[in-house]
Amino acid sequence: KQEVTQIPAALSVPEGENLVLNCSFTDSAIYNLQWFRQDPGKGLTSLLLIQSSQREQTSGRLNASLDKSSGRSTLYIAASQPGDSATYLCAARDPGGTSYGKLTFGQGTILTVHP
Amino acid sequence: EAGVAQSPRYKIIEKRQSVAFWCNPISGHATLYWYQQILGQGPKLLIQFQNNGVVDDSQLPKDRFSAERLKGVDSTLKIQPAKLEDSAVYLCASSAGLHNEQFFGPGTRLTVL
Repeated sequence: KQEVTQIPAALSVPEGENLVLNCSFTDSAIYNLQWFRQDPGKGLTSLLLIQSSQREQTSGRLNASLDKSSGRSTLYIAASQPGDSATYLCAARDPGGTSYGKLTFGQGTILTVHP
Repeated sequence: EAGVAQSPRYKIIEKRQSVAFWCNPISGHATLYWYQQILGQGPKLLIQFQNNGVVDDSQLPKDRFSAERLKGVDSTLKIQPAKLEDSAVYLCASSAGLHNEQFFGPGTRLTVL
């Protein structure tokens, strides 16, 4: 059974700092790994999706890396802004078969960026 | 392109009452998911449909929860009777296929008193 853990649970930084969010998963046999953002009272917005054959993906100030062998992924946010304040979730997707590509989520990291 | 729609957005009920949530996925998406997100936790998959058939309901508490997907499009999730521990946000998501990217709706926040 896949288990996903995110560290830290909460992070508070001043505007302009670069930061790293960590995600670990117990079963390295994943199809892909996805990072989401969740604003209070809202659904999930997909940020980056890394296929199992890839090592990283970039979108603007965001960079996500994947190390399947060690069961780890990191989300790097450059030059943080107050608008980045949200909960960040990572999710590992099962490869298929009887699990039908199930997503297993971590508990999230609550990020606060102070002006 | 319209996103995933859910209603109601908020619901407050007393324990032992019944409640139903509705989801309209993105047009053409064959796969539909219902997740439960308890405060402070990540979403947990309750049930997954492929068209109008269930492919995974292993984490659905079937003694009180039920779900259906009408004609392979809209879906309803029902809780009967509700318990205090059912207080959570219920998220609906859809994707074009089993391994395609999932798109999430805004969720329904349920409070059971």
